[in-house]
Amino acid sequence: GAVVSQHPSRVICKSGTSVKIECRSLDFQATTMFWYRQFPKQSLMLMATSNEGSKATYEQGVEKDKFLINHASLTLSTLTVTSAHPEDSSFYICSAEHRARNKITSYEQYFGPGTRLTVT
Amino acid sequence: LAKTTQPISMDSYEGQEVNITCSHNNIATNDYITWYQQFPSQGPRFIIQGYKTKVTNEVASLFIPADRKSSTLSLPRVSLSDTAVYYCLVGDVSGGYNKLIFGAGTRLAVHP
Repeated sequence: GAVVSQHPSRVICKSGTSVKIECRSLDFQATTMFWYRQFPKQSLMLMATSNEGSKATYEQGVEKDKFLINHASLTLSTLTVTSAHPEDSSFYICSAEHRARNKITSYEQYFGPGTRLTVT
Repeated sequence: LAKTTQPISMDSYEGQEVNITCSHNNIATNDYITWYQQFPSQGPRFIIQGYKTKVTNEVASLFIPADRKSSTLSLPRVSLSDTAVYYCLVGDVSGGYNKLIFGAGTRLAVHP
């Protein structure tokens, strides 16, 4: 099946610094990628939709100047958490959209393994 | 986007069949039903997707009644490794650019 990778898998940073997380679709091209955040014991919360070659679309309540998204190619989207603070500590997950196998009428989303961010 | 309702948690034992039902009363004509599985500290994994009737793959079956207001994910002969959170999502995936809004999911615990 389609594979999505994320790098790094874990990162610890000091408060006030910026952290970049990469999301790659390894064996397919993804025009659209998505970024989610998940706190312990909670569900995934969609942060933004990343479109190749255009500006990301952010969900309500997500600060676009704090969570910078760049989708420079059909296989790579990056999320930069700027001026990170302890409350930004979370599990960040990306997904990439791909046309469903053996189907021409539907799409599936494939998720990366996630990045655990800890801000001290 | 249609709202979904699932049981918060379920318990089962190894070797049993597990059926998780999801309600989606406001499903739209173009909406598909997709199920994901998530283990702790991992990204969700696609399990199965369907539009109507029954869909089966190597890991699960998805039953969708004619009115499509609910769906049931069936996991045959579960093992301990099936302990995870299962999410039911509904949305129009006939084109690209489809946002997925996750509900609370069902936390399945499989016991020896």
